[in-house]
Amino acid sequence: KAGVTQTPRYLIKTRGQQVTLSCSPISGHRSVSWYQQTPGQGLQFLFEYFSETQRNKGNFPGRFSGRQFSNSRSEMNVSTLELGDSALYLCASSLDTSTGELFFGEGSRLTVL
Amino acid sequence: AQSVTQLDSQVPVFEEAPVELRCNYSSSVSVYLFWYVQYPNQGLQLLLKYLSGSTLVKSINGFEAEFNKSQTSFHLRKPSVHISDTAEYFCAVSNNQGGKLIFGQGTELSVKP
Repeated sequence: KAGVTQTPRYLIKTRGQQVTLSCSPISGHRSVSWYQQTPGQGLQFLFEYFSETQRNKGNFPGRFSGRQFSNSRSEMNVSTLELGDSALYLCASSLDTSTGELFFGEGSRLTVL
Repeated sequence: AQSVTQLDSQVPVFEEAPVELRCNYSSSVSVYLFWYVQYPNQGLQLLLKYLSGSTLVKSINGFEAEFNKSQTSFHLRKPSVHISDTAEYFCAVSNNQGGKLIFGQGTELSVKP
């Protein structure tokens, strides 16, 4: 069974630009969550989608948004990039959302110059 | 609000020595507890989990953790580490909010020959 796939793996943007990251969950998983990982703040929850609906949201500004498609694939978008948005963005999918057991992708490493 | 504290940011240890990575959590409700491991340039992998039942949980590669409700701890132990165990380890808590996990800051385990 294929794992969680994230694209692109690496990307470089400049301040003010926007970026879209993609995540394909494990087949059959309907929940997709996104996390931001930085050396200073660690792992922080961005949002979760389940059956195309945002179910949970972390404490990030409105520049961070996401969506989920009918095939459970998800995208997250960051607009008006800032230097502080440089991070590893991790996507995770889940079969049983009642327990919080997540399966993570390898992440998309975003560098903002 | 929930929080997770990993008491050691770095733990250096020699190969075949025992190791303990400490994790304390705070929550006003029942929780599920997890340990995830992250190898360099990779996403997170679930190492072990406590959902209910026996308070001692074990992984297939020799790690174990014990849920201690009175001390609100979920320490990770291994009696004899290998070089390949070198990685960053994250303790996480969930209170049945779907894909939202609260992570600790991580403990970098460095196993030396």
